[in-house]
Amino acid sequence: DAKTTQPTSMDCAEGRAANLPCNHSTISGNEYVYWYRQIHSQGPQYIIHGLKNNETNEMASLIITEDRKSSTLILPHATLRDTAVYYCIVRGNNNAGNMLTFGGGTRLMVKP
Amino acid sequence: EAGVAQSPRYKIIEKRQSVAFWCNPISGHATLYWYQQILGQGPKLLIQFQNNGVVDDSQLPKDRFSAERLKGVDSTLKIQPAKLEDSAVYLCASSLAGTRYGYTFGSGTRLTVV
Repeated sequence: DAKTTQPTSMDCAEGRAANLPCNHSTISGNEYVYWYRQIHSQGPQYIIHGLKNNETNEMASLIITEDRKSSTLILPHATLRDTAVYYCIVRGNNNAGNMLTFGGGTRLMVKP
Repeated sequence: EAGVAQSPRYKIIEKRQSVAFWCNPISGHATLYWYQQILGQGPKLLIQFQNNGVVDDSQLPKDRFSAERLKGVDSTLKIQPAKLEDSAVYLCASSLAGTRYGYTFGSGTRLTVV
């Protein structure tokens, strides 16, 4: 799988947009970008994924650059409950079966 | 839909003892994964099943860890004998087959080896 690079931690004010960057400069053409988050003492939770186009759902928006070498997860109006570790993952399509490989993630702290 | 169920939620054992974790995936999900998450780190894949067959177990310490998914539904992960460094959260996840689908994770089993 392509390696991703994320900042270790970020702060965001409650009610403001949280923009979480991710670099994946070695991504291949058929690899998806996935975002998960993990709230303390819970399993990771799926947020969104995309291939080339920008994506939006009820949780977040995913902006992928045209060259696909980086992406940004946007939480439009962060709340205290969005405090979590956010993982950006490039999902391979290898012979072993397309598993998700997690890195260290970004610890987002939403502050009042 | 019901989520991925895991039990027990917590387990404390002494080193050299054995322990088993159980996972019931979402109905209809052919693919099942076991991850190990050590405190402060991201989850690390241990084994992946497709139905009742193993797809990838390259990261599973086979001298002490074993896993099975009989009948392609429930799965168990066993550690025998446990070491102190096995203290971690063991997460089970399931998904539909194919790269397009995300995983659904259970809440995990927190194992403490003393």
